[in-house]
Amino acid sequence: GAVVSQHPSRVICKSGTSVKIECRSLDFQATTMFWYRQFPKKSLMLMATSNEGSKATYEQGVEKDKFLINHASLTLSTLTVTSAHPEDSSFYICSARDLHGGPQETQYFGPGTRLLVL
Amino acid sequence: DAKTTQPPSMDCAEGRAANLPCNHSTISGNEYVYWYRQIHSQGPQYIIHGLKNNETNEMASLIITEDRKSSTLILPHATLRDTAVYYCIANSGTYKYIFGTGTRLKVLA
Repeated sequence: GAVVSQHPSRVICKSGTSVKIECRSLDFQATTMFWYRQFPKKSLMLMATSNEGSKATYEQGVEKDKFLINHASLTLSTLTVTSAHPEDSSFYICSARDLHGGPQETQYFGPGTRLLVL
Repeated sequence: DAKTTQPPSMDCAEGRAANLPCNHSTISGNEYVYWYRQIHSQGPQYIIHGLKNNETNEMASLIITEDRKSSTLILPHATLRDTAVYYCIANSGTYKYIFGTGTRLKVLA
């Protein structure tokens, strides 16, 4: 099946710094990628939809200036957590849909990035 | 997209079939049922999906009731590696998956 990678797999940073997480579709093109956040023992919560060549669409309650999303190519989306604070510590997961897939095409998920803000 | 309801947890003996139910009573005609699972600290893994017919692949079978208000994921011979959280999602192709709380399946040796 299709492969989605994320980098880094885990990151520790100091409070107040910014952290960039990359999501890549390795063997397919994706005009749309999704970013989720997951707290311990909780379900995935959709944060935003990343659209290639246009602005991301954020879910209600997600600060767009806090979580900057850039989808510059058909295989790469980045999520930047700006001025990170300890409450931003979480597991961040991206997913992507194949550009050439039909409406029922499944989403392929990355392995996740664990962020710890000290 | 339709909301789904799943039991929070289930146990299954190794080698036996694991039957995971999902209720999606408000599903609309153009919504598919997708199943994913998430093993601890990993991203969700696609298992199977269907619209109204039963489906089978190398991982599992999906049984959808005739009225499409519920479905069951069947892992025919559960192994310890099948221990995971299983998510059922109803989606019309709007691409935004809404994850419920899922079912935590524990396969027992």
